[in-house]
Amino acid sequence: DAKTTQPNSMESNEEEPVHLPCNHSTISGTDYIHWYRQLPSQGPEYVIHGLTSNVNNRMASLAIAEDRKSSTLILHRATLRDAAVYYCILSASNDYKLSFGAGTTVTVRA
Amino acid sequence: DVKVTQSSRYLVKRTGEKVFLECVQDMDHENMFWYRQDPGLGLRLIYFSYDVKMKEKGDIPEGYSVSREKKERFSLILESASTNQTSMYLCASSSPGSYDRAYEQYFGPGTRLTVT
Repeated sequence: DAKTTQPNSMESNEEEPVHLPCNHSTISGTDYIHWYRQLPSQGPEYVIHGLTSNVNNRMASLAIAEDRKSSTLILHRATLRDAAVYYCILSASNDYKLSFGAGTTVTVRA
Repeated sequence: DVKVTQSSRYLVKRTGEKVFLECVQDMDHENMFWYRQDPGLGLRLIYFSYDVKMKEKGDIPEGYSVSREKKERFSLILESASTNQTSMYLCASSSPGSYDRAYEQYFGPGTRLTVT
């Protein structure tokens, strides 16, 4: 399975953007990039996913490097509710499974 | 609103007991999953099912079995609970995308199981 590497933790100030990096240098051509987050005492929730092009939704933006070896999740204006563990996950197009790593713990300061 | 519910938030069982964890989804999803989450180990997939009566082993199936008799319900069974199965258990469901089978999984709130 292709692996991802994320920083253990990041801090941000409220209402500032947060850029969460993810390295996936062994990604294959058909692997999708998924981002999930897990708020305290809750199950993970889907944030965004993409294949080659940058993606935007109401929660975040996903910027994918041209060579696809890295990606960045962008939270445009962090709120206290965005404090969570963020997981970057790869999945093959024909695979149902997601493999969660340790993720990045994001702390948001008021 | 999308909903995945799990039968209990907290459960305490004794070693050797048979334990049933129930998960129900109301989104008519084909795929359902059971994970366990432990500190320092992240989420690990135990079993998943892509259709009624169909199941596949995940990364750590030993000591567990599953049942899916109806589309909306997926049960995790610990045949003889052991202390090393003390963990947070998370259920998820999804409907496969056109090209991406791991498309958007919806998770339940989790069941914290303690085996004493």
